[in-house]
Amino acid sequence: DAGVIQSPRHEVTEMGQEVTLRCKPISGHDYLFWYRQTMMRGLELLIYFNNNVPIDDSGMPEDRFSAKMPNASFSTLKIQPSEPRDSAVYFCASSLAHSGYGYTFGSGTRLTVV
Amino acid sequence: AQSVTQLDSQVPVFEEAPVELRCNYSSSVSVYLFWYVQYPNQGLQLLLKYLSGSTLVKGINGFEAEFNKSQTSFHLRKPSVHISDTAEYFCAVSDPGGYNKLIFGAGTRLAVHP
Repeated sequence: DAGVIQSPRHEVTEMGQEVTLRCKPISGHDYLFWYRQTMMRGLELLIYFNNNVPIDDSGMPEDRFSAKMPNASFSTLKIQPSEPRDSAVYFCASSLAHSGYGYTFGSGTRLTVV
Repeated sequence: AQSVTQLDSQVPVFEEAPVELRCNYSSSVSVYLFWYVQYPNQGLQLLLKYLSGSTLVKGINGFEAEFNKSQTSFHLRKPSVHISDTAEYFCAVSDPGGYNKLIFGAGTRLAVHP
């Protein structure tokens, strides 16, 4: 398996623009997680899905952020409108149902909002 | 609520020296414990995990960790580090509330010097 695939690897956008980050989980994994990592706040869980259904979105910073998982092999995280403080590395991770399995992380998307 | 404390934000060490990265967790129930490593500009990678059984767990790259239930600790050790071990290390604990959620510590930056 190619692992968790995220695209793009880098994104530079202007303030106010819409940004869409993409994630393809490992085939057969039924959990998907979106994280944000910054120097100031470390690793933050934004939202996670189980069998394509959002379970907990309490980490989503505000209404400008939204996430979808239309099928088992694809998820998006959208920011509209983007702001400079959204600049961070965004990670997607997937896992099997057993909590002892652990997560497999993607390589991340480095977002810069200017 | 679950929490994970990594006692050192940074650990400098010379090459070929031993190292210990400390992790304490709070939980009133049995949990699963994990260590992840993040190399520069990469996603998090699973180093090792404790589910049950032997309290000494061996992982990749010569790392090992010891689960101590009475002290609620899960410290990571390596007897002789290499320059290539320079990375950020994250301790994580499973959330017994279900839904396969991991609680991550703030991370420890290991800097190996020649």
